[in-house]
Amino acid sequence: SQQGEEDPQALSIQEGENATMNCSYKTSINNLQWYRQNSGRGLVHLILIRSNEREKHSGRLRVTLDTSKKSSSLLITASRAADTASYFCAPMDSSYKLIFGSGTRLLVRP
Amino acid sequence: DTAVSQTPKYLVTQMGNDKSIKCEQNLGHDTMYWYKQDSKKFLKIMFSYNNKELIINETVPNRFSPKSPDKAHLNLHINSLELGDSAVYFCASSPGGDAYNEQFFGPGTRLTVL
Repeated sequence: SQQGEEDPQALSIQEGENATMNCSYKTSINNLQWYRQNSGRGLVHLILIRSNEREKHSGRLRVTLDTSKKSSSLLITASRAADTASYFCAPMDSSYKLIFGSGTRLLVRP
Repeated sequence: DTAVSQTPKYLVTQMGNDKSIKCEQNLGHDTMYWYKQDSKKFLKIMFSYNNKELIINETVPNRFSPKSPDKAHLNLHINSLELGDSAVYFCASSPGGDAYNEQFFGPGTRLTVL
């Protein structure tokens, strides 16, 4: 399959801790995007990293991209209970399609 | 509110029926998409339209027919519904076909086929 595959499938941490989610993919990409989905809601875009970038920051989010290993990671620092959601990586392939996986379910315990 | 909206939010129907899901975006975007999210949360693209033209058509049964009357609307019609069609369907839009655009998602339509 060609989807972005997130690891772990589920993650439970204490508020204040950092959360790291990993993503692997199989195609060559234009960029890789991370999205968040709260339960019962649509996806919300978090951050986009281009194929020629290695690291990007946005607030408490840090994304890395290693195109040689076809992998990416999303780090959420100083997590909050409100960060509880599912997180999806979505590599964009050469035909401009986003290839989603099944996400990482993050639970941040107060 | 500027957003991507879908109707209905929930749809429960019998096998064999025909149903439609409507999507509208008032963001002025050129490109719209339909995605299907299954029970394991796996999200897969079905169709994409750019300025009313079909540009992505994944391997989807021809019982599914998208229709774009204008670039702000992309509706999904499903004929002869089957149990396996039960899923959450998301509409999304983006500013254009450029590779560096984020997509904006609607709230989803939960379809249950009995």
